[in-house]
Amino acid sequence: KNQVEQSPQSLIILEGKNCTLQCNYTVSPFSNLRWYKQDTGRGPVSLTIMTFSENTKSNGRYTATLDADTKQSSLHITASQLSDSASYICVVRVENAGNMLTFGGGTRLMVKP
Amino acid sequence: DVKVTQSSRYLVKRTGEKVFLECVQDMDHENMFWYRQDPGLGLRLIYFSYDVKMKEKGDIPEGYSVSREKKERFSLILESASTNQTSMYLCASSSGYDEQYFGPGTRLTVT
Repeated sequence: KNQVEQSPQSLIILEGKNCTLQCNYTVSPFSNLRWYKQDTGRGPVSLTIMTFSENTKSNGRYTATLDADTKQSSLHITASQLSDSASYICVVRVENAGNMLTFGGGTRLMVKP
Repeated sequence: DVKVTQSSRYLVKRTGEKVFLECVQDMDHENMFWYRQDPGLGLRLIYFSYDVKMKEKGDIPEGYSVSREKKERFSLILESASTNQTSMYLCASSSGYDEQYFGPGTRLTVT
């Protein structure tokens, strides 16, 4: 069964600190992996997309990594800001499955001043 | 900018009522999706549509139906709302296999 597991479920950090969120997946065959940010009361917004051949991609203070061999991805947030408080969702697309996506349960991040 | 709008941000309905949730996108996307989001369960696909009047069941279609009469509009219908349908409902649209763009969500409470 295709699954995406995220850890931790929630995280509290101080403003200015770095943090890393984890995503492990069992999706096969793999097509791509996206990290979404979802602010409270809003819909998810894409941060990064990575395909099989990419092992790192940055978007400002967000850096995603992908290890296709171990089927793991991480999202690293540098110098956190209060506006980073949100849920971060890892989403994997299955090859040859059309528009079907497998969603992780998300990590809820709270950045405190 | 892609814009996906949903008819209501918050909705309270009684058990047994018929409920309509509407979603409109302005980017001429052929694909549209309805998800529900519950704590600890992530997003789960209810239905999707890849063209006008076309629909496909997702992972949890029971208790729901959909309608897509126009390309820009995708409606989710709860024929007889039940308390276990209390949830956040998210609509999304995409072109081909590209990124799905999400609406702001409708938080539905069924009492």
